[in-house]
Amino acid sequence: DAGVIQSPRHEVTEMGQEVTLRCKPISGHDYLFWYRQTMMRGLELLIYFNNNVPIDDSGMPEDRFSAKMPNASFSTLKIQPSEPRDSAVYFCASSLRGGGRGYGYTFGSGTRLTVV
Amino acid sequence: AQKVTQAQTEISVVEKEDVTLDCVYETRDTTYYLFWYKQPPSGELVFLIRRNSFDEQNEISGRYSWNFQKSTSSFNFTITASQVVDSAVYFCALSEALRGQGGSEKLVFGKGTKLTVNP
Repeated sequence: DAGVIQSPRHEVTEMGQEVTLRCKPISGHDYLFWYRQTMMRGLELLIYFNNNVPIDDSGMPEDRFSAKMPNASFSTLKIQPSEPRDSAVYFCASSLRGGGRGYGYTFGSGTRLTVV
Repeated sequence: AQKVTQAQTEISVVEKEDVTLDCVYETRDTTYYLFWYKQPPSGELVFLIRRNSFDEQNEISGRYSWNFQKSTSSFNFTITASQVVDSAVYFCALSEALRGQGGSEKLVFGKGTKLTVNP
């Protein structure tokens, strides 16, 4: 199993540009989570999906952020327009049946986003 | 709401010393799960352990051991005979129930403890 695959690993973009982060979850996992890691706020949940349906996006910081999961094997997190304060590491994680009850969570390697 | 507190922001030790990383949690759930993750300088999150709230037995895995005490809401992590390769940020996390999702959970993380092991 290749694990959770995120791309790109690093992204440097200019303020105002659109940024798209990608995630391929583990095959068969029915939950997908997007987390953001910053020095100030630590690891915070942005949004999660169950069976490709967004369930809770209350962690999404503002309307500039959007996430989609068009099928079970692909999700995107888009920031439009990007701002310097969006600079962070974005992690994608997937789990089977929510993860806490014995099934575990698997994280991708993260995308380090720098907005200049 | 659930909360995880890792009071130690940074710890520095010399190789071969034992070190304990503290984790205190808050939850109203009677069933919950606790986790430790390691984040080495390369940045990925590496799963170390998962414990459920009904199992208070301490666990040992090689040089790693975990002490779960429900009475004090703590889930501390000890590294015995630390090594330079143990240098990383360590996160404690608590599962928080996803309401209406059939018992599924999301993870709530502490702020992490940066451990530096010097040769």
